[in-house]
Amino acid sequence: EVHMVESGGALVQPGGSLRLSCSVSGFTFSSFWMSWVRQAPGKGLEWLTNIKQDGSAKNYVEFVRGRFTISRDNANDSLYLDMISLRAEDTAMYYCARESTGDLDLRGQGTLVTVSS
Amino acid sequence: DVVMTQSPLSLPVTLGQPASISCKSSQSLVYYDGKTYVNWFQQRPGQPPRRLIYKVSNRDSGVPDRFSGSGSGTNFTLKISRVEAEDVGVYYCMQGTYWPRTFGQGTKVEIK
Repeated sequence: EVHMVESGGALVQPGGSLRLSCSVSGFTFSSFWMSWVRQAPGKGLEWLTNIKQDGSAKNYVEFVRGRFTISRDNANDSLYLDMISLRAEDTAMYYCARESTGDLDLRGQGTLVTVSS
Repeated sequence: DVVMTQSPLSLPVTLGQPASISCKSSQSLVYYDGKTYVNWFQQRPGQPPRRLIYKVSNRDSGVPDRFSGSGSGTNFTLKISRVEAEDVGVYYCMQGTYWPRTFGQGTKVEIK
């Protein structure tokens, strides 16, 4: 069975940084593009970024480009999201997702990032 | 970016009755491979979202067959043939044909 477990969320001050992790099991991690999606409290879903199987290609939504960096460790079936210059509007639940040519599969419970002083 | 517009945003339904949610995209979602990448997600209250439908009309494993997806080009629909209490929540469409992937605003389904 496919499992994805996000971790690393925390309370951080504006301007701070954070690294989120996603540990997966139940599928061949290295065979899939992977994405991060977030949901601000009471709001809808936002796709943020994705990364190719071997890490050689990455895509970002404009409003996180330059502040967020996606990476992966195929040896340890792990996905990461490094976030810097965090703002109040980055407060959200963050989910990792498996991509299969345009189809997004969310399975985790998410990890909560709160940006506040 | 492709804009996904859902309607209605709120959908009160009677138990046992059908429900339908529309999702319109700002441009055609047919990919160069000829396939159309539209997903539907359900988010029950207090729960993370889960995918119900992929590639317009394919139901995920474990999804009841009262859920169905249809459409083509720029117009897509999620239908629930007979609404049950456990179907209460917010439903989102998403396009995966273009980057960035984009979601609809969400449609809140509630029981009358």
